[in-house]
Amino acid sequence: DADVTQTPRNRITKTGKRIMLECSQTKGHDRMYWYRQDPGLGLQLIYYSFDVKDINKGEISDGYSVSRQAQAKFSLSLESAIPNQTALYFCATSEATSGGTDTQYFGPGTRLTVL
Amino acid sequence: AQSVAQPEDQVNVAEGNPLTVKCTYSVSGNPYLFWYVQYPNRGLQFLLKYITGDNLVKGSYGFEAEFNKSQTSFHLKKPSALVSDSALYFCAVRDIRPKYGSARQLTFGSGTQLTVLP
Repeated sequence: DADVTQTPRNRITKTGKRIMLECSQTKGHDRMYWYRQDPGLGLQLIYYSFDVKDINKGEISDGYSVSRQAQAKFSLSLESAIPNQTALYFCATSEATSGGTDTQYFGPGTRLTVL
Repeated sequence: AQSVAQPEDQVNVAEGNPLTVKCTYSVSGNPYLFWYVQYPNRGLQFLLKYITGDNLVKGSYGFEAEFNKSQTSFHLKKPSALVSDSALYFCAVRDIRPKYGSARQLTFGSGTQLTVLP
């Protein structure tokens, strides 16, 4: 979805390096998410944010941190990258709903390789 | 805990034939169910969702899915497959009344690779 952009699209880095992945959206959504995709495992939630002041851990947050700089921007950081963090990373957004019926819309992904 | 199973890693179908991609779920309450498609080097695209009401849900690109509460299934279907339907398909579930905050989030299946043969 062109309304959700991720930078960089591809990144190769070395073990121990700090790296930041960025996500921007023009959909006007309050909620933003970071997922990791590994082959055969589907998507796993790393962190999510329901608004600028709300940050929550997902199921696999260890080794990651996030920052919600504005409604439209949500960045993911790997403080000290390790090889098993090699994966495809997706950002997603959704509207705020009271009943959990919101649909998530995904960015194009960032392919990260940690050597 | 909520979970989703996509029992087939790979589905092959001939162009023009009907296709089915299977999904079963487990939640403690009632589910919201979603289907997404991922084309190579692209993000996930939303196809359709079941919230409430009619068990047959129609979505994008001629796809539909049927919610079956007794079988806890939400299979994706299309009457006539196209080669361009070849992609990776994900089913996802969210519990309507989760006990914990994190359970408000989507749980995805492991994906099914659909190949439509010309």
